[in-house]
Amino acid sequence: DADVTQTPRNRITKTGKRIMLECSQTKGHDRMYWYRQDPGLGLRLIYYSFDVKDINKGEISDGYSVSRQAQAKFSLSLESAIPNQTALYFCATSDGGNIYEQYFGPGTRLTVT
Amino acid sequence: GENVEQHPSTLSVQEGDSAVIKCTYSDSASNYFPWYKQELGKGPQLIIDIRSNVGEKKDQRIAVTLNKTAKHFSLHITETQPEDSAVYFCAASEPPSNTGKLIFGQGTTLQVKP
Repeated sequence: DADVTQTPRNRITKTGKRIMLECSQTKGHDRMYWYRQDPGLGLRLIYYSFDVKDINKGEISDGYSVSRQAQAKFSLSLESAIPNQTALYFCATSDGGNIYEQYFGPGTRLTVT
Repeated sequence: GENVEQHPSTLSVQEGDSAVIKCTYSDSASNYFPWYKQELGKGPQLIIDIRSNVGEKKDQRIAVTLNKTAKHFSLHITETQPEDSAVYFCAASEPPSNTGKLIFGQGTTLQVKP
């Protein structure tokens, strides 16, 4: 969905490096989410944010941090990347009309060597 | 917390046949059940959803059924076409109801053979 963009789309990094994945949205939604997708495991929630001042951990937040710089921007950081963080990462948004109807970005494929 | 199981993990059908994907959930307080389709190289896209006060919902060739007693719901695709080939995810809302959190199934890769 072009309304939710993620950068970079692909990234290869080395173990121990810090990396930031960025998400921007033009949908005007207040809620934003970060997921990771692994084969056979589906989508798992890393962090979610209701607004700029409200950030919450998801089920797999260890090793990750986030920043909500503005209503439209939500960044995910890996402070010290490790190989088992190799995955496909998705950002999603939703709004108060239907908080569960989530719109996903195109994803970032991250490889940690 | 909520847990969602999805089956099968892969499904291959001939064009024109029907496809059924099934999911079970664990928390009876879940009240919203969406289905997402993920095409290659793209993010998941919502294709249909159902709320707990409804037993069935249809949208052209796709339908979703919900059995609250058994805590399972299913996606039905009729007259499948090659463009239906994708990965499909079910999900369930995680209580409490104000979080917007979804718990996803493991995904089903559907292949429609021409």
